[in-house]
Amino acid sequence: QQQVKQSPQSLIVQKGGISIINCAYENTAFDYFPWYQQFPGKGPALLIAIRPDVSEKKEGRFTISFNKSAKQFSLHIMDSQPGDSATYFCAASLDSGGYQKVTFGTGTKLQVIP
Amino acid sequence: EAGVTQFPSHSVIEKGQTVTLRCDPISGHDNLYWYRRVMGKEIKFLLHFVKESKQDESGMPNNRFLAERTGGTYSTLKVQPAELEDSGVYFCASSFWGLNTEAFFGQGTRLTVV
Repeated sequence: QQQVKQSPQSLIVQKGGISIINCAYENTAFDYFPWYQQFPGKGPALLIAIRPDVSEKKEGRFTISFNKSAKQFSLHIMDSQPGDSATYFCAASLDSGGYQKVTFGTGTKLQVIP
Repeated sequence: EAGVTQFPSHSVIEKGQTVTLRCDPISGHDNLYWYRRVMGKEIKFLLHFVKESKQDESGMPNNRFLAERTGGTYSTLKVQPAELEDSGVYFCASSFWGLNTEAFFGQGTRLTVV
């Protein structure tokens, strides 16, 4: 059973456009929702994260929208750039006091074309 | 400061052989995690160490997988004997112990079992 569902699997966006990736989760106990960005040959790196008591978080061109009642959250990349081309993973975790066990989505391969 | 380092970057082995993956976490990080991504699927949790102790190994697929963390420093993940379905990218991550601490990922080891 996949606890975090992510879509789309791949996405092509023109430079300057908006990239939108959607995720849904099952476990209402999750209390931390990070997004990771992964470039080829590298490991995932934390991009931005949100807690369920907040409906939106913005960092530069990246915004997370969070809908607790619907158990959904999304990543919006404004003014998408070719350098944003990467695989993006949504994730959810439950803070266990001193560590986090992260449950990932299946990933979205984003390509931003000039 | 050095990040999380994994060795080797790639490994191709025959079914039935043994492979050992190594992870050097960031110095001072008590938490060490192993994850695996099978092609096109989500990144799945395998296990978690706090210092040298296994805290959670609920994600380990079966007893062909053995993880150790010597003296609370580097960690190894041994697969013996390897099967075709073990192919994938194995990621190691580490973090400080504490609330909301960010986990840093290594570049991964791509394991191919033929």
